[in-house]
Amino acid sequence: EMELVEFGGGLVQPGGSLRLSCAGSGITFSTYWMSWVRQAPGKGLEWVANINQDGTDKYYVDSVRGRFTISRNTAENSLYLQMDSLRVEDTAIYYCARDRGSGGSRGQPHDYWGQGTVVTVSS
Amino acid sequence: DIQMTQSPSTLSASIGDRVTITCRASQSISVWLAWYQQKPGKVPKLLIYEASYLQSGVPSRFGGGGSGTEFTLTISSLQPDDSATYFCQQYTAHSPYTFGQGTKLEIK
Repeated sequence: EMELVEFGGGLVQPGGSLRLSCAGSGITFSTYWMSWVRQAPGKGLEWVANINQDGTDKYYVDSVRGRFTISRNTAENSLYLQMDSLRVEDTAIYYCARDRGSGGSRGQPHDYWGQGTVVTVSS
Repeated sequence: DIQMTQSPSTLSASIGDRVTITCRASQSISVWLAWYQQKPGKVPKLLIYEASYLQSGVPSRFGGGGSGTEFTLTISSLQPDDSATYFCQQYTAHSPYTFGQGTKLEIK
């Protein structure tokens, strides 16, 4: 069964840091762009960042640029999101998602999603 | 950034009804638009990509259309399982991706 599983969420104080991880099993994502998408409690979806196949090209939503860093380890089929200088408004479920289209360029929607990991930023 | 606006925000319809949700982009996005379905407590599910292409495994009662700045998601005959929130998303290659605010579809 194809699966993406996120780890690393938790409760952190404003200004703190967290590192989220996403592991793939039964699913190839080495040849795909990968994204992080978040959803604040009771709110809609917000795309956060994505990264190309070899980790050399990255895009971010304005609200996290300079604070969050997306990275990947292709050999380990893993995706990461380093979150620094966290704010209360970063509180959300964070989903790891695969951008459809193997070997393609940027500009694809998300065809596989993990179950999400909850990040709560509060004092 | 490209803003996406969905209408209506909520919609109530009966089983068998034809339902249409609209998504408007603040600038032209060609056909780089997707639709997702999300049920409470569940992960979003990709329904439509490239404005009108049905993702594998999605029932054929779902259809998408449009280009440029105006897009639609149509459910040809509403089923009980279709109660959910629907989101559009633009995914142009050289800008941050953005989602619409969502349309909550309820069954009467």
